[in-house]
Amino acid sequence: DAGVIQSPRHEVTEMGQEVTLRCKPISGHNSLFWYRQTMMRGLELLIYFNNNVPIDDSGMPEDRFSAKMPNASFSTLKIQPSEPRDSAVYFCASSLATGRNTQYFGPGTRLTVL
Amino acid sequence: AQKVTQAQTEISVVEKEDVTLDCVYETRDTTYYLFWYKQPPSGELVFLIRRNSFDEQNEISGRYSWNFQKSTSSFNFTITASQVVDSAVYFCALKENTDKLIFGTGTRLQVFP
Repeated sequence: DAGVIQSPRHEVTEMGQEVTLRCKPISGHNSLFWYRQTMMRGLELLIYFNNNVPIDDSGMPEDRFSAKMPNASFSTLKIQPSEPRDSAVYFCASSLATGRNTQYFGPGTRLTVL
Repeated sequence: AQKVTQAQTEISVVEKEDVTLDCVYETRDTTYYLFWYKQPPSGELVFLIRRNSFDEQNEISGRYSWNFQKSTSSFNFTITASQVVDSAVYFCALKENTDKLIFGTGTRLQVFP
């Protein structure tokens, strides 16, 4: 079975540009999570969806960040405009339903904003 | 508030040594779940184990074993006869009766040949 798929794996962009990260969850999973990993803050949850509906976006840093899940097999995380402090590894994870179920992570997107 | 503490920032061992990674958690919930994930140098996060708060049985999987003790709020991870391929950052995580995973800061394990 395919795991969580993320694209691109690496992204280098210049400050002020729009960045779109993409995620395809594991088939059949109905919860999707976006995390960011930095040296300073570790792994932090940005937003998550249940059945394509955003449930908690309290971790989204600011209005420059937005996430969508138009269907059960696709989600995007957009940063507009990007800033150097957004440089991080962004992970997408998915799980069955909620509660006790395990979150499985994608390979991550390493974002560098110059 | 929930919290996960991994006090060991970095551990170095020589191959074939046993090593234990510590994890201490805080929660007010009676129902919660604990996890360990491995992040090898390639960067992905790999799920290793999930434990629920009602199951204090220790678990063994090959060279890996986990010791869950509610009395001390600990969920420690032991690698027996470590190998170079075990070199990675290991994260302990807590989930209460919500969907949020709270991660510890991770322990970097280096296994030298």
